Amino acid sequence: ETGVTQSPTHLIKTRGQQVTLRCSSQSGHNTVSWYQQALGQGPQFIFQYYREEENGRGNFPPRFSGLQFPNYSSELNVNALELDDSALYLCASSNSGYGYTFGSGTRLTVV
Amino acid sequence: QQQVKQSPQSLIVQKGGISIINCAYENTAFDYFPWYQQFPGKGPALLIAIRPDVSEKKEGRFTISFNKSAKQFSLHIMDSQPGDSATYFCAVPREDNGNKLVFGAGTILRVKS
Repeated sequence: ETGVTQSPTHLIKTRGQQVTLRCSSQSGHNTVSWYQQALGQGPQFIFQYYREEENGRGNFPPRFSGLQFPNYSSELNVNALELDDSALYLCASSNSGYGYTFGSGTRLTVV
Repeated sequence: QQQVKQSPQSLIVQKGGISIINCAYENTAFDYFPWYQQFPGKGPALLIAIRPDVSEKKEGRFTISFNKSAKQFSLHIMDSQPGDSATYFCAVPREDNGNKLVFGAGTILRVKS
C-alpha cells in the first residue's frame, strides 16, 4: 500500500508568479485535503476535494485553487504569489472519514 | 472561526518521564479528537484518536484523556524516549460538516537522554 506522494519537495518562486503543487493520494482514498503549514504553526485547512468536486474551503483567497482527477490525485494552484505564501504545503488523503494520511509536503519559498 | 488552544508550546522531559500536552476546544458537537506527531521534514502522522463516548484511550505508551464537560483533551506519553522528540498537534473537526480538521499550534517535545 503506497502512501501519499507530493511533488516537488522544494520550490522557490518569485513574488507574482504562479505555482502548481501535485499530490498522489493513498490507494483506496477518494478524498484529498490541502493544508498550509507556516513555520512554527499548525496546519491550516485550505480546501478539500471529494470525487473531483470541492467539498469545503478554509479562509484562503480565490488565488488558491485546486483540482482532483478521476484517479483521485490532486493539484493545488496558487496565483500571484505573495511572500506570506512561503510555507509547507501538505496534502492529506482519506476515505471519507477522519483518518488522514499526510504526505511529506512541498516546501514553497517565495522571494 | 473554530479555535483550538494547545499548551505548552514546548516541553523538555527526561528519558523515562511522562510528557503531558493539553488541548482545549470550543464547540461541543465534535465526535473525533486526534493527536498527530510530526518529525522534521515530514508530514503529520496520526498518533492516537478518541471519540467522545469514552474518557480515556490507551495505545502502548500513549494515552488520550478526554474531559467533555471541560472541553479539554490531553495526550500523555509514558516512559518518554528520545525517539518521541517531535512536534505534537491536537486537532478537532471544523464546525462545518465534513471531515476537515482544525489543528492546534503545536507542542515541541524534547526528551533528554
